[in-house]
Amino acid sequence: SQELEQSPQSLIVQEGKNLTINCTSSKTLYGLYWYKQKYGEGLIFLMMLQKGGEEKSHEKITAKLDEKKQQSSLHITASQPSHAGIYLCGADLDDYKLSFGAGTTVTVRA
Amino acid sequence: GAVVSQHPSWVICKSGTSVKIECRSLDFQATTMFWYRQFPKQSLMLMATSNEGSKATYEQGVEKDKFLINHASLTLSTLTVTSAHPEDSSFYICSAPRPSSVYNEQFFGPGTRLTVL
Repeated sequence: SQELEQSPQSLIVQEGKNLTINCTSSKTLYGLYWYKQKYGEGLIFLMMLQKGGEEKSHEKITAKLDEKKQQSSLHITASQPSHAGIYLCGADLDDYKLSFGAGTTVTVRA
Repeated sequence: GAVVSQHPSWVICKSGTSVKIECRSLDFQATTMFWYRQFPKQSLMLMATSNEGSKATYEQGVEKDKFLINHASLTLSTLTVTSAHPEDSSFYICSAPRPSSVYNEQFFGPGTRLTVL
């Protein structure tokens, strides 16, 4: 099975500051998804990475996948209250199944 | 963009009753859908793969007789929690992949909160 470890488990950041979340896999990743979830709600797709060394950005969020395809990071620049939530990384298993990390709860303080 | 809906969004039932949750892909056909369960403060755990036209595939530790899955059409999968008990109370989320030329997009429903009294 694919195991994903996310760190930190939670973090509190002052509005305007940067933050980084890490996701480490026990196996080589075929595809790595990042989602955001507000507790009790569905998942919002952020980004998907497939290639070693790949980096994608959307607005103030940047995700990277390392060359070995076993570690990914999600970086938020100049955080805002709208960035608060639970961030989940998901590994693409066979046939579109996803295995998720435990999640990182982000709190942004004004 | 693609949308996956779930119904109901929340349900409260008495212990021993059965509850059906629907998952629909609204603007694309999904031959495969996935059912996840999420307990408070925890991540999503894959329960089963719903396959249109064939039996569902269950993950280890998930009771297939308790969580009945029916993929009735290319846009609808249902999860029935039979003889529900309080420990089945959870947040159930479905997802549907839509293969594309770029990558396999995976769309999630908004979830169904089940509370068993």
